[in-house]
Amino acid sequence: GAVVSQHPSWVICKSGTSVKIECRSLDFQATTMFWYRQFPKQSLMLMATSNEGSKATYEQGVEKDKFLINHASLTLSTLTVTSAHPEDSSFYICSARGLAGANIQYFGAGTRLSVL
Amino acid sequence: QKEVEQDPGPLSVPEGAIVSLNCTYSNSAFQYFMWYRQYSRKGPELLMYTYSSGNKEDGRFTAQVDKSSKYISLFIRDSQPSDSATYLCAMGAGGGNKLTFGTGTQLKVEL
Repeated sequence: GAVVSQHPSWVICKSGTSVKIECRSLDFQATTMFWYRQFPKQSLMLMATSNEGSKATYEQGVEKDKFLINHASLTLSTLTVTSAHPEDSSFYICSARGLAGANIQYFGAGTRLSVL
Repeated sequence: QKEVEQDPGPLSVPEGAIVSLNCTYSNSAFQYFMWYRQYSRKGPELLMYTYSSGNKEDGRFTAQVDKSSKYISLFIRDSQPSDSATYLCAMGAGGGNKLTFGTGTQLKVEL
């Protein structure tokens, strides 16, 4: 149980284009989803917290207009990197938390974004 | 000072060794503690979850939490080459929202 699917696993795009990453909880309802960014050999950096049906809460320094998050259902959250530039190239990982009060986050497999 | 400190390694051990991984933290509000394993270019996989102080065992893995010392450990017995990965400690306060992660310890188990 507690499977989180993230798609795509790898995307290459041209500078200036937008990229959408999907995060799905397959066997549980995710009241909260989280989006992280990870640089090589570094830990996870929380970008935003997404609650179903409401606006995402972004961490300090994360541009909300650049990283658009939508959590329209209890099983799906999307992250759109708008007008991507080479400095946005990174490993993006989502996680999902189940029922309210549960503390465990289950992670997707991550998406490697390369912006040319 | 970071809220969570974790030695990044790398830690190299022979197959069959007992591995000890540790994290220290400064926030006394942390109540629940997790260990995740992350293989290269993959998402973290939950290994152990503990709430408050004490020990928890699951197969070859044992998690220990000492809240009085603000110190948590993960022990791996009979280590295998397949255990080679980065191990991340994570912890959170009440409310079940944000987790604070350590930087991760890179482990290599050699034949």
